[in-house]
Amino acid sequence: QSALTQPPSASGSPGQSVTISCTGTSSDVGGYNYVSWYQQHPGKAPKLMIYEVSKRPSGVPDRFSGSKSGNTASLTVSGLQAEDEADYYCSSYAGSNTPYVFGTGTKVTVL
Amino acid sequence: QVQLQESGPGLVKPSQTLSLTCTVSGGSIGGGGYYWSWIRQHPGKGLEWVGHIYYSGSTYYNPSLKSRVTISVDTSKNQFSLKLSSVTAADTAVYYCARARTASHWFDPWGQGSLVTVSS
Repeated sequence: QSALTQPPSASGSPGQSVTISCTGTSSDVGGYNYVSWYQQHPGKAPKLMIYEVSKRPSGVPDRFSGSKSGNTASLTVSGLQAEDEADYYCSSYAGSNTPYVFGTGTKVTVL
Repeated sequence: QVQLQESGPGLVKPSQTLSLTCTVSGGSIGGGGYYWSWIRQHPGKGLEWVGHIYYSGSTYYNPSLKSRVTISVDTSKNQFSLKLSSVTAADTAVYYCARARTASHWFDPWGQGSLVTVSS
């Protein structure tokens, strides 16, 4: 099972929006509505930001939103803030043989 | 709320077995509804799912590691453990334990992570 493809980097000025893509196949992203997104600050553990493609856990700002079209999922961060600067990883359920696959990761920089 | 904490040696010699334990607090492993997972991150790299265990003892492993991985659970201690045999420098990574929802397949919460270095 190959890693999901994400752009290495993305950036935006404070207040702007940034969208990160996560491309897989019909065996993972396209086959299930079980895409989740994680934020990771340097030296810290990943934090769940989005689950089931577009649902936000309690406590996650509504500036974070998720969507999916075909084999590609996306995370949008609106109204960028300095604290949003971090690495972001997508993950998808991929069936019973290899249940989980992660994305390659995207470093978001707030200019 | 549920918290997870990894523990184990930070240095393992090549060809030996890496052993880590994850202690769960604030909730019971035996409650069902979750997979108890291990995920690793090579230095400066992305995340790799290693495997998981259900409270009943059912396990699933990443096929690329399956021949070397064993995950076990001790519900009496509210702990689950990872053993990775015949390690090489390529197994040097931060190892995270995490809880995965069985029904919707997200990971939350995560432990703080445990850096394991394979070196002689």
